[in-house]
Amino acid sequence: GAGVSQSPSNKVTEKGKDVELRCDPISGHTALYWYRQRLGQGLEFLIYFQGNSAPDKSGLPSDRFSAERTGESVSTLTIQRTQQEDSAVYLCASSLSASASNEQFFGPGTRLTVL
Amino acid sequence: GENVEQHPSTLSVQEGDSAVIKCTYSDSASNYFPWYKQELGKRPQLIIDIRSNVGEKKDQRIAVTLNKTAKHFSLHITETQPEDSAVYFCAAGPNAGNMLTFGGGTRLMVKP
Repeated sequence: GAGVSQSPSNKVTEKGKDVELRCDPISGHTALYWYRQRLGQGLEFLIYFQGNSAPDKSGLPSDRFSAERTGESVSTLTIQRTQQEDSAVYLCASSLSASASNEQFFGPGTRLTVL
Repeated sequence: GENVEQHPSTLSVQEGDSAVIKCTYSDSASNYFPWYKQELGKRPQLIIDIRSNVGEKKDQRIAVTLNKTAKHFSLHITETQPEDSAVYFCAAGPNAGNMLTFGGGTRLMVKP
């Protein structure tokens, strides 16, 4: 079946502009996660959605970052007034639910470059 | 919050040798420990995971061990092959569906 998809695959923007990144989770997956991966580094948790519960935003690095999710489907990550240090691959993952037996499946990522 | 340390950051082995990657974690509430493999330019993919109710799990050439008392877990790859070359990430979390804290990654290079 279809996996997690993300768009765009690459985004180049100028410093100060806003960007929106999209994630389509696997159908039926109620949990959705956003991570950031800087070049050559590990995955940094940003935000987590579980069903209709309030999202866990504890990983968002600043108030320029926000994310929304419509029900249990698409999510968008918005970065306002982008800075060069925002350049990274943004990875989305989904899992069946937030329980002890559910693997997180990753999307291909969006590579963001801020000039 | 949870903190995961991973060592070594790079590891080079000859084809056929074994490779071991080690991780430590800080939060005693963590009970799920997955390992992901990320090939260059690709998405991370789960290769094996272990939960705190077991000490060891094996899947063909890959095994993971967990020591909850010491708060460390390790990935063991035997009979390494060139296609094992990738970056490997460990992670820890309260359960599989909740937020995972990742280690910094280990770049494994298997020389033919």
